[in-house]
Amino acid sequence: QVQLVESGGGLVKPGGSLRLSCAASGFTFSDYYMSWIRQAPGKGLEWVSYISSSGSTIYYADSVKGRFTISRDNAKNSLYLQMNSLRAEDTAVYYCARDVGYGDPWGQGTLVTVSS
Amino acid sequence: QSVLTQPPSVSGAPGQRVTISCTGSSSNIGAGYDVHWYQQLPGTAPKLLIYGNSNRPSGVPDRFSGSKSGTSASLAITGLQAEDEADYYCQSYDSSLSGRVFGTGTKVTVL
Repeated sequence: QVQLVESGGGLVKPGGSLRLSCAASGFTFSDYYMSWIRQAPGKGLEWVSYISSSGSTIYYADSVKGRFTISRDNAKNSLYLQMNSLRAEDTAVYYCARDVGYGDPWGQGTLVTVSS
Repeated sequence: QSVLTQPPSVSGAPGQRVTISCTGSSSNIGAGYDVHWYQQLPGTAPKLLIYGNSNRPSGVPDRFSGSKSGTSASLAITGLQAEDEADYYCQSYDSSLSGRVFGTGTKVTVL
């Protein structure tokens, strides 16, 4: 079945960097847009970034533009999110999702905590 | 920042019908973009509940239904059950932001 597994979360100091990964299985990864969506503790959902199947089209929310970079490796069925210049407000659970205009399915999420 | 507005909470007794509104604008729902709904049970990842305004993925009970009109959309839950207690989010596309946007979220409580 379709499965998405995120990894790479953890505790990082403000100004630091972290790279999230999402391993996909159960579908033809290279056929689909993929997205990162985050949820701060006790808060709602925010669509952070998406990337087209070939990688040629990319979107970033204004809140992360210039600091985060989304990428994918279709040969490895993997999605990535490079997060630089992290701020306290980036603290959240980060989910990857298969993107068909909406997210389906979602991974279980990985927690990123930005704190000194 | 959420551009789609939902009521913070709704509640109902078991068996009752509740509705959740999702109010947008002319750059998202009113522009004709589809609305999708997610259910997030406590401590879990969101799950797709309704796609394309009114379509249910396989496995979603027909107690859940979606509709859209003008600049708003609605999710209805009929025959409310204890297991429906969760957070619900609408989602669409916004042309002014050139990106996908979520609603503010609604917590459903079963009394």
